This record gives sequence, structure tokens and C-alpha cells, in this order.
Amino acid sequence: KNQVEQSPQSLIILEGKNCTLQCNYTVSPFSNLRWYKQDTGRGPVSLTIMTFSENTKSNGRYTATLDADTKQSSLHITASQLSDSASYICVVRPSSNTGKLIFGQGTTLQVKP
Amino acid sequence: DAMVIQNPRYQVTQFGKPVTLSCSQTLNHNVMYWYQQKSSQAPKLLFHYYDKDFNNEADTPDNFQSRRPNTSFCFLDIRSPGLGDAAMYLCATSRDKVPNAPQHFGDGTRLSIL
Repeated sequence: KNQVEQSPQSLIILEGKNCTLQCNYTVSPFSNLRWYKQDTGRGPVSLTIMTFSENTKSNGRYTATLDADTKQSSLHITASQLSDSASYICVVRPSSNTGKLIFGQGTTLQVKP
Repeated sequence: DAMVIQNPRYQVTQFGKPVTLSCSQTLNHNVMYWYQQKSSQAPKLLFHYYDKDFNNEADTPDNFQSRRPNTSFCFLDIRSPGLGDAAMYLCATSRDKVPNAPQHFGDGTRLSIL
């Protein structure tokens, strides 16, 4: 069964600190893996996308990595800001052309001053 | 700015009273999706339209229906809402089903059932 699991479920860090969120998946074969940021009461917004052949992708202070062999991805946030407080969702798209995404449960990040 | 707009942002309805949620897009995307997201859970796909072709997920209750009168608009109808239908409903669009095309989400409608 295609699954995406994220850890930790929630995380609290101090402003200015770095953090890393984890995503393990069993989807195979897959087309791409995307990290979304979802602010409270808002829709998810795409941060990064990686295909199976890519190892790392950056978007400002966000850096995503992908290890297709171990089926793991991580999202590293550098120099966190209060506005980084949100849920971060790992989403995998299987190679079958159905358009149906496999969502992780998300990691809720709270950045405190 | 091109975007996905959902109205209303908050909707309160009574148990069993039909309710309609709306979604419009200015992206001219041919695929539109409806998701249900409950607190601290991942979004769950209810159905999607590929142009006018309607695709229902196997586990979507019959209580949920959808209409897409044109490319820009899509509606979610809940015929007889139950307490378990209280959730955030997210609309998303994508440009065709090309593998790397992102889904663009609206900000959702939070539905409460009294």
C-alpha cells in the first residue's frame, strides 16, 4: 500500500534555530515528491518539488533532500522565523497518471520568540 | 493575481440541511479537485474533474456531489450533512495531469455542523 509517513508529528523550536523534518514513503515507482507549507486556516502552498533523480532542492531558507534508495526525504529550515510556524506536508505523486497524490499527515512546527 | 478562490471561508449549517461550497479559479486549469481535511489529518481526495469528466473516489460517500458548469467554477454539494462532515474543504487545480504540474490550493472552506 502506498504510504507517506512524517516525523515528528509536532515540533517546537526557538526563533533563529534550524530544524529538519522527515518523510518516509513506500510509494513506488513515483513521479515526484513535493513539500507543502500549510498555514493555519489556509490552503497548502508548494515549497519544493523533486523528481526521483534529484537529491536536493532549495527555496530560500528551505532545503529539501531526497534519497530514492532509502525512500526518505527531509526538509531543512535554516534560521527559523516566526512566520515559519505552520504544518509541513510531504506529498508523493505515484508514476501512474491518475493525478492522485499521496499525502503525509504533516509536521506541525511552532517557532517561538 | 491568478488564484483559486473558495467561498465562503466559513460555513455553518444545520444537521441534515443541504449546503453548497464554491470554488473558482483564474488559472484556466483543466483539472479541479475537492479534498476534505479534518483536524491534524492529511487532505483526503473526494473527487476530481478532468475537464468535464467527473472522477469519484471509491470511498467518497454518496452524500457528496459535485458540479462543474464551466472551466472556472466547481461546486461541492453536501446533500444531508452529518456531524462527521465537519471539516475543512479544500479545492485545488492543476494544469492537466502532467506529472510535475503542481496542484494549486484555495484557502478552503471550514464547515461546521450544528
